[in-house]
Amino acid sequence: DADVTQTPRNRITKTGKRIMLECSQTKGHDRMYWYRQDPGLGLRLIYYSFDVKDINKGEISDGYSVSRQAQAKFSLSLESAIPNQTALYFCATSASGGLYYNEQFFGPGTRLTVL
Amino acid sequence: AQSVTQPDIHITVSEGASLELRCNYSYGATPYLFWYVQSPGQGLQLLLKYFSGDTLVQGIKGFEAEFKRSQSSFNLRKPSVHWSDAAEYFCAVGFSGGYNKLIFGAGTRLAVHP
Repeated sequence: DADVTQTPRNRITKTGKRIMLECSQTKGHDRMYWYRQDPGLGLRLIYYSFDVKDINKGEISDGYSVSRQAQAKFSLSLESAIPNQTALYFCATSASGGLYYNEQFFGPGTRLTVL
Repeated sequence: AQSVTQPDIHITVSEGASLELRCNYSYGATPYLFWYVQSPGQGLQLLLKYFSGDTLVQGIKGFEAEFKRSQSSFNLRKPSVHWSDAAEYFCAVGFSGGYNKLIFGAGTRLAVHP
């Protein structure tokens, strides 16, 4: 079974609709992240969460909100979707603590199309 | 500022030819380095990573990468490319401390000619 899962895997929606992307993990990690991928731009960080009560904006948070319902679940919401939010969205998790970098582990991605 | 540069947006090679994808980073301390591959319509797959030790690291699918501190580079290589290697390749740099920041390059799209 996959350690980091994302639902849905594909979604087509219309401008103005509210949509939620969900991420679950079984790795027992404290930290979770949401990224979006656009052609020619790589992955950019939207939000990250250290734990259930600690949520922080990333590089491109405008137009997005998140909810950390439990240690294992981190949802990304688009309150009113617009076409330029069409992208591939990745969730990631990592451990915390230690002296060195904690590798991030990625989910399979959700392809979102906003018409 | 921290940054990751992949100078080549597109690369085309013939099947069986050697491959080198370039990655340069900007960071004052020793970074943590990664190469990911994304096949068409797929998610990210980790090819290899460098945290410390031997600067030549071996990865999956016959790939290797070499960390050169003096050049701030972490280039990916493969001696003989297969048609199935056609994909997009991302270099990423991780920074310890804070929120465990990970910065991605813009990617290099590899096409393989038969």
